[in-house]
Amino acid sequence: NAGVTQTPKFRVLKTGQSMTLLCAQDMNHEYMYWYRQDPGMGLRLIHYSVGEGTTAKGEVPDGYNVSRLKKQNFLLGLESAAPSQTSVYFCASSTSSRQGMNTEAFFGQGTRLTVV
Amino acid sequence: QQQVKQSPQSLIVQKGGISIINCAYENTAFDYFPWYQQFPGKGPALLIAIRPDVSEKKEGRFTISFNKSAKQFSLHIMDSQPGDSATYFCAASIFGTDKLIFGTGTRLQVFP
Repeated sequence: NAGVTQTPKFRVLKTGQSMTLLCAQDMNHEYMYWYRQDPGMGLRLIHYSVGEGTTAKGEVPDGYNVSRLKKQNFLLGLESAAPSQTSVYFCASSTSSRQGMNTEAFFGQGTRLTVV
Repeated sequence: QQQVKQSPQSLIVQKGGISIINCAYENTAFDYFPWYQQFPGKGPALLIAIRPDVSEKKEGRFTISFNKSAKQFSLHIMDSQPGDSATYFCAASIFGTDKLIFGTGTRLQVFP
């Protein structure tokens, strides 16, 4: 049982380049989330999805787009990367529409992205 | 604006000691308070969680204390071990939404 798998694990981009981060979960979870983790700022929610074909904005959505074409996959896109998007990105999935309500969010191992 | 304030940012404890991490919140709509543990190079993982209808929850060496009137909750790690060295995040869930709000994290180091 792989849980939540993120691809790639590391990436270096030049300013203005685009890329897509892939998240895949094999737990049949309805809900999926993208967070970014920065020193001293904890985990901040970028976008999330409560089901196939649906997405919603989190706390820091600017500069990112997402898609949930299949239940098991959640893609995070950067159309024009900026140095401020240098961060560690985590994908998570859970079973409940209320992520923290008597349920557990399962996280991937993260993608370390550097924008130069 | 940080909705969940966590302190300290870092903590050094000797083996066998007690580690205490504190969190405070403002939004009274929060009704679920989990703690996540993160080891270097890994994603966070749920450690323990509490609802506001109880003042304390204990699981092994880990205890959450919750003070609803003060809007504060804390994690106590008894008999701290080097294997507990990790970053700890408190979090809160907003009723009726799908978002989990995290604190800024505490890096715990337990020395032998």
